[in-house]
Amino acid sequence: NAGVTQTPKFQVLKTGQSMTLQCAQDMNHEYMSWYRQDPGMGLRLIHYSVGAGITDQGEVPNGYNVSRSTTEDFPLRLLSAAPSQTSVYFCASSYSNTGWAGYTFGSGTRLTVV
Amino acid sequence: DAKTTQPNSMESNEEEPVHLPCNHSTISGTDYIHWYRQLPSQGPEYVIHGLTSNVNNRMASLAIAEDRKSSTLILHRATLRDAAVYYCILRDPRIQGAQKLVFGQGTRLTINP
Repeated sequence: NAGVTQTPKFQVLKTGQSMTLQCAQDMNHEYMSWYRQDPGMGLRLIHYSVGAGITDQGEVPNGYNVSRSTTEDFPLRLLSAAPSQTSVYFCASSYSNTGWAGYTFGSGTRLTVV
Repeated sequence: DAKTTQPNSMESNEEEPVHLPCNHSTISGTDYIHWYRQLPSQGPEYVIHGLTSNVNNRMASLAIAEDRKSSTLILHRATLRDAAVYYCILRDPRIQGAQKLVFGQGTRLTINP
């Protein structure tokens, strides 16, 4: 039971480089989200998806793209990395969008942009 | 999202019960009370949730006040592995689309051996 798997665990990028953070879940969850966590701040929602082919923006979407071609995968793309995107990124999934459903989080990707 | 208030930090001893309080005086009638915890260098982990009645699972118990303006997460027998930041979050099932879990600062729980 892998749950939510994020790769890579650590990444260092140079300003202007692009990369994709991978997220995969094996629980057949429809709902997936990406959050970032910065020191001293709570998690903030970047993008989310309510099913394959359907995505929408969260609280801090600028500089990030997402797509959802399958139920299992929800990659997050950084188009042109900036130092302000240095953060820990978490992917989460849930079987329901309703208030009674809990979320399963991955273990995170720690990204440093220099 | 309705606001929750938690103490910044708490400390307890191993093998003793821990009661983590959360105030949510502006809770609406349909808000669910969720608890997550985040261990060092890990993603948040769902702990428990409830609406009106007290709830128990293998990890913890959730005691909800009769007026629902506060709740308490109870760890019955704390271990060193329970040292984490605990977040109390309200979720309204009527809100669709913006699946935003609003994480506040949470309570940093320290367990002494």
